[in-house]
Amino acid sequence: SQTIHQWPATLVQPVGSPLSLECTVEGTSNPNLYWYRQAAGRGLQLLFYSVGIGQISSEVPQNLSASRPQDRQFILSSKKLLLSDSGFYLCAWGPGGDQPQHFGDGTRLSIL
Amino acid sequence: SQQGEEDPQALSIQEGENATMNCSYKTSINNLQWYRQNSGRGLVHLILIRSNEREKHSGRLRVTLDTSKKSSSLLITASRAADTASYFCATDRSGNTPLVFGKGTRLSVIA
Repeated sequence: SQTIHQWPATLVQPVGSPLSLECTVEGTSNPNLYWYRQAAGRGLQLLFYSVGIGQISSEVPQNLSASRPQDRQFILSSKKLLLSDSGFYLCAWGPGGDQPQHFGDGTRLSIL
Repeated sequence: SQQGEEDPQALSIQEGENATMNCSYKTSINNLQWYRQNSGRGLVHLILIRSNEREKHSGRLRVTLDTSKKSSSLLITASRAADTASYFCATDRSGNTPLVFGKGTRLSVIA
């Protein structure tokens, strides 16, 4: 069966520090991968998605970036975090086509 | 871009009652999906209804879709305290584009 792992679960970082969040999927190949951000009590904002290795689509211009160095690995990064980067970050995968997405348990990021 | 909008934003009911949440969207869709999110966790897929379907059931869940009104509803029958969560609708335009999620309905079921 397919599983998705996202870590860390919580992270506290100072303003201006770098960020690296990792997401890996097991049990499937060539998944579509997604990074979302969720503000407290709000809906999901799509940040990046990828349909293959090295293919990244950005939905929202900001100081975040994403990379897909391997088929089942998706990384969210920042060189310098801003206070506004605080939030709940969710990784998800989907087989594409007319199929649902499957989510990781999220990372709670707090910027001080 | 299109976006699902859930209504109401928050709903509080007694255990055993039915809960109905609505979702409206703006453009044509390939399918519409409902997800559930427990506090501080990821989303879990509940049910998918395609644009050529009008109603779908899964256990205590009943989803309807009215493409002429660009709206969907999620009914949870005989609610339980464990149903307390946020519920999101998500629309899929073509199957090859990312889902667009609404802002969610926060459901509280009081025992």
